[in-house]
Amino acid sequence: DGGITQSPKYLFRKEGQNVTLSCEQNLNHDAMYWYRQDPGQGLRLIYYSQIVNDFQKGDIAEGYSVSREKKESFPLTVTSAQKNPTAFYLCASSTDRGPYGYTFGSGTRLTVV
Amino acid sequence: AQSVSQHNHHVILSEAASLELGCNYSYGGTVNLFWYVQYPGQHLQLLLKYFSGDPLVKGIKGFEAEFIKSKFSFNLRKPSVQWSDTAEYFCAVNGWSGGGADGLTFGKGTHLIIQP
Repeated sequence: DGGITQSPKYLFRKEGQNVTLSCEQNLNHDAMYWYRQDPGQGLRLIYYSQIVNDFQKGDIAEGYSVSREKKESFPLTVTSAQKNPTAFYLCASSTDRGPYGYTFGSGTRLTVV
Repeated sequence: AQSVSQHNHHVILSEAASLELGCNYSYGGTVNLFWYVQYPGQHLQLLLKYFSGDPLVKGIKGFEAEFIKSKFSFNLRKPSVQWSDTAEYFCAVNGWSGGGADGLTFGKGTHLIIQP
């Protein structure tokens, strides 16, 4: 079945460590996105990529980094510079550089201990 | 820049009551509008979307929404709610400049609780 796979589902990190969240899609979608979800805040866009080897900062990119070396993959690194990294992270993809159908992954819950 | 405002953060209704969740957006150009639902412990799911044409759009599970351009609004409605509608509801907008998919902007969400 086509879809988006995020791994791991739960992740614990010590303060000061970088951690990478995986997002893989087999939908042949061009565009991919990372969102952060916090209670009462909705979803906020971290980074997005419309094409391989290109990506753009979203509204809250500070403390995060991404890469897009393959169409299927869009990993997100939460760096030690991110001051409040504990959150639920959602990956999404869409077709044809347009919003004609967003598909969301099941998310990764990151907890900093 | 685009923004979305959802009027109510928490709504509590009894079963069979009618529902209307408010959503207003800010963007000067062409917009695509969405309502998503997140049931407890589940993925975000698309309820309905508006791109163009008839401003009254129907979605899954008996939901509908009306796009009123003059009011910059896209309110979600359901005539009779069920206990299973308990969930978090998100309004989202994508300002379509024609240049590409810049990502959806979401409202902060409305937590809907339906009491049996």
